Amino acid sequence: KAGVTQTPRYLIKTRGQQVTLSCSPISGHRSVSWYQQTPGQGLQFLFEYFSETQRNKGNFPGRFSGRQFSNSRSEMNVSTLELGDSALYLCASSSLTGGPTETQYFGPGTRLLVL
Amino acid sequence: AQTVTQSQPEMSVQEAETVTLSCTYDTSESDYYLFWYKQPPSRQMILVIRQEAYKQQNATENRFSVNFQKAAKSFSLKISDSQLGDAAMYFCAYRSATGNQFYFGTGTSLTVIP
Repeated sequence: KAGVTQTPRYLIKTRGQQVTLSCSPISGHRSVSWYQQTPGQGLQFLFEYFSETQRNKGNFPGRFSGRQFSNSRSEMNVSTLELGDSALYLCASSSLTGGPTETQYFGPGTRLLVL
Repeated sequence: AQTVTQSQPEMSVQEAETVTLSCTYDTSESDYYLFWYKQPPSRQMILVIRQEAYKQQNATENRFSVNFQKAAKSFSLKISDSQLGDAAMYFCAYRSATGNQFYFGTGTSLTVIP
């Protein structure tokens, strides 16, 4: 099976702009989670989508939003970019069949630089 | 909310030696899963090992093993016979048995010295 893919891999934006990141989960996986990774902060959970519905949401401002399509692909949008939004954004998918086999598989990430 | 703490920002180990990375977590739940993920420089994060809280036996995957102490809420990772390819950032993670949200620690950067 192909792994989790994220596009674009690198992105440079300026303050005030908006950006959309895309994530394609592993085939058959229905849950997609998004994380922001910055040095010293580790991974901060943004939100999780399952069957096109947001099930969990982290402690991020409303500028961060997402959605999931019927094919489980997910997009994340950040509006009115700030310098502090510069980070590696990771997407992870899981199948949610339950049980001890459940885990998250990560994509390579999108590195966003806000100037 | 659950919290995961990795108190060692950086660790180093000589090649072929053993190193232990520490992780503690805080939760009021009795059923959950714990994970160690590895993120090599500029590469994808991958799962190293997983532990179910209801299992008393410590998980083992080849050279990687954990010391899970549920009462102490401790979940350390032991890497035996360290190899150069083990150099990476290691993240400890917690997941509730009733939800799919993962909580990650801030990571430990492991350097392997030849």
